[in-house]
Amino acid sequence: EDQVTQSPEALRLQEGESSSLNCSYTVSGLRGLFWYRQDPGKGPEFLFTLYSAGEEKEKERLKATLTKKESFLHITAPKPEDSATYLCAVRKAAGNKLTFGGGTRVLVKP
Amino acid sequence: DGGITQSPKYLFRKEGQNVTLSCEQNLNHDAMYWYRQDPGQGLRLIYYSQIVNDFQKGDIAEGYSVSREKKESFPLTVTSAQKNPTAFYLCASSTRLAGEWYETQYFGPGTRLLVL
Repeated sequence: EDQVTQSPEALRLQEGESSSLNCSYTVSGLRGLFWYRQDPGKGPEFLFTLYSAGEEKEKERLKATLTKKESFLHITAPKPEDSATYLCAVRKAAGNKLTFGGGTRVLVKP
Repeated sequence: DGGITQSPKYLFRKEGQNVTLSCEQNLNHDAMYWYRQDPGQGLRLIYYSQIVNDFQKGDIAEGYSVSREKKESFPLTVTSAQKNPTAFYLCASSTRLAGEWYETQYFGPGTRLLVL
């Protein structure tokens, strides 16, 4: 059975304190790992897609990396506006369904 | 502006009542999806549709029904058979990339369903 586990469940950071979020997965035939940001009461906002081990993508203070078993979302020098829940999802080779992890709630305090 | 709209933002359901959640997209996307999100949990797939007049069950389809009569619309009905409907419902859509099925799903703003 496909599984996606995100850790930690919650993360409190001081402004400027860099950290990493983890997304570990077990899926046969990975065809894309996706990161989304979700603000309270809103729909997820797409951040990155990673396809193969060793791939990295960056956007402002966020950097996503992928290995064969997990992905990391690095937040460098976070600001309060980076506070959100970050969701990870995987898509397997057969079909276009996504399996989501439970998310990591990030709170950045000024 | 292109995007996905969901209505209403909040919906209240009485016991034994069917309610329908609207999802419309003007992105010309082929595929549309419905997810359910419970507090502190990830998204779970209810139904999805890759083309008009066709749809497939997701992981938690019991108590729900859908239709796809138009490319831009994918309404979800929460029936009285769904005993625990209180949740945040999210609609998404995606396009098929040339030669491969590597599309990204984009989400609407969501509808929060509450039971009276």
